[in-house]
Amino acid sequence: RKEVEQDPGPFNVPEGATVAFNCTYSNSASQSFFWYRQDCRKEPKLLMSVYSSGNEDGRFTAQLNRASQYISLLIRDSKLSDSATYLCVVNPETGTASKLTFGTGTRLQVTL
Amino acid sequence: GAGVSQSPRYKVAKRGQDVALRCDPISGHVSLFWYQQALGQGPEFLTYFQNEAQLDKSGLPSDRFFAERPEGSVSTLKIQRTQQEDSAVYLCASSFGTSGVGELFFGEGSRLTVL
Repeated sequence: RKEVEQDPGPFNVPEGATVAFNCTYSNSASQSFFWYRQDCRKEPKLLMSVYSSGNEDGRFTAQLNRASQYISLLIRDSKLSDSATYLCVVNPETGTASKLTFGTGTRLQVTL
Repeated sequence: GAGVSQSPRYKVAKRGQDVALRCDPISGHVSLFWYQQALGQGPEFLTYFQNEAQLDKSGLPSDRFFAERPEGSVSTLKIQRTQQEDSAVYLCASSFGTSGVGELFFGEGSRLTVL
């Protein structure tokens, strides 16, 4: 089983739709969680960290479910510019920078 | 700019050639990472430096891969006797801290194609 698993998609949604991605992780001791965004042929960039209490940044909401070992990303009112690959990132050991593990990414395509 | 800079952006090598990929991290960033990203996959960890010390090289796929950061700033990833399976984008990232909870800043990557 991979340490971090994501549905690769693509998720094709119309502009204005709400879309949600899940990501599961295998190490129950994992401490830190992130969502990164990667545009086609570009580098990954931090979208948001994921906190135990859940957090929101504009149209984006991230949640963590430790019991089921998954994190989610909800995008409301999708824009064409949201089209990208969303990478789930998990660090199983806080204090150990090298253990950050990336999922394969979920591709989102927002259409008119 | 002030971001992570990588060169060359594109490299085509014949099988068996040696290549060297350079990364210039953000000034003052202690941590430096190398990742390998194959087409359609997420970045896979190769190696990690804290200043000039290589603290983790567990992701390097073979002894043909070697990385250094001799003065704690610029880093070079060297691949000897390249093979076709080495074709990928090699991403360098840096971060200010060392705990793994801070943001990673990535360069645009070096796309290696081995013929």
